[in-house]
Amino acid sequence: DQQVKQNSPSLSVQEGRISILNCDYTNSMFDYFLWYKKYPAEGPTFLISISSIKDKNEDGRFTVFLNKSAKHLSLHIVPSQPGDSAVYFCAASVAAGNKLTFGGGTRVLVKP
Amino acid sequence: NAGVMQNPRHLVRRRGQEARLRCSPMKGHSHVYWYRQLPEEGLKFMVYLQKENIIDESGMPKERFSAEFPKEGPSILRIQQVVRGDSAAYFCASSPDINYEQYFGPGTRLTVT
Repeated sequence: DQQVKQNSPSLSVQEGRISILNCDYTNSMFDYFLWYKKYPAEGPTFLISISSIKDKNEDGRFTVFLNKSAKHLSLHIVPSQPGDSAVYFCAASVAAGNKLTFGGGTRVLVKP
Repeated sequence: NAGVMQNPRHLVRRRGQEARLRCSPMKGHSHVYWYRQLPEEGLKFMVYLQKENIIDESGMPKERFSAEFPKEGPSILRIQQVVRGDSAAYFCASSPDINYEQYFGPGTRLTVT
């Protein structure tokens, strides 16, 4: 049973435009959500997180939105840069610092 | 401040051998997590440890796999009698406390021939 799903396996976007990555979850006990970026042959790099008491968190070019009623979160990257080309994983936990449940990832390609 | 260190980065084992993967958490971090990524899949939680204690091993296979985080030294993930299905990337993450995000190491890529 996949508790965290990223339904788009890939996304292609033009440099300078917005990248929108989506993530759905089924476990209503999840209360902390994170996005990680991963390059080939490297470990995931933490990008941004949000707790369930918020509906938006922003850090530079990255903004995460949380819709608890829909059990949906999204990551917006504006503007997209070629260096953003990577695989992005959504992750969730019952409490911050607890074990993470990951989605399958979305491969983003930013075209110059 | 050095990041999470994992070694070896690449490990090749024949079926039936033992694999030992090491993880040194970031300085000041006492919480260690191990995850496994099979080809073309997301990361799957295996085990969560604090110094000398296994807190949650709900993701560990029941047989052949074990983990430890001794008082001194790195955390070790041990796989006995490896099989081809164990071929994967194994990632270690650490955090300073339970209410912080996890920081990942570069991973160990295990290939079983």
